[in-house]
Amino acid sequence: EAAVTQSPRSKVAVTGGKVTLSCHQTNNHDYMYWYRQDTGHGLRLIHYSYVADSTEKGDIPDGYKASRPSQENFSLILELASLSQTAVYFCASGISNERLFFGHGTKLSVL
Amino acid sequence: QQQVRQSPQSLTVWEGETAILNCSYEDSTFDYFPWYWQFPRESPALLIAIRPVSNKKEDGRFTIFFNKREKKLSLHITDSQPGDSATYFCAASLSGSFNKLTFGAGTRLAVCP
Repeated sequence: EAAVTQSPRSKVAVTGGKVTLSCHQTNNHDYMYWYRQDTGHGLRLIHYSYVADSTEKGDIPDGYKASRPSQENFSLILELASLSQTAVYFCASGISNERLFFGHGTKLSVL
Repeated sequence: QQQVRQSPQSLTVWEGETAILNCSYEDSTFDYFPWYWQFPRESPALLIAIRPVSNKKEDGRFTIFFNKREKKLSLHITDSQPGDSATYFCAASLSGSFNKLTFGAGTRLAVCP
């Protein structure tokens, strides 16, 4: 079974602070994604990447940066965290968009 | 704008009944439609998927019905079991590796014993 590991599992951050969410996959997948999940909105794509050292904007990239330093690692960075960024964040990997393997999620609370 | 819409937001059925979850989309160029399910405190996982070359896809008790003309699809769960209680997400994309998936807001299904 594909393995996607996210860290931390939960985090409390202060408004205006910097937050980094990490994702590591051992699936040898080229494609990695960051989604956020909010009640009533389902999963919304923030950033994605299909090769190391390159990232693409998803549907809601504002306020977020992404970094893909290697095939295995994909980070999501909130330079100035805001209350509206409180959500559950899921990282996923895949050979293509046809089947995504999700991590267990990071619950972020911005106070 | 919401390109993929799901209804109802929540659904409760009795064990043994058929649950019907609906999905519609706006972009007529979408050609790949997966359904993901998510159990409480778990991550989403692929359940079943369909391409418009066919109008029906079956996998055990789970069936997708697809209507390309109306840009609608539905997921039917026959003989529903309490273990089917989860949130179901419809998604859509252009097939091909570089195309992103767009998810709907989900339908929360509860199956009562």
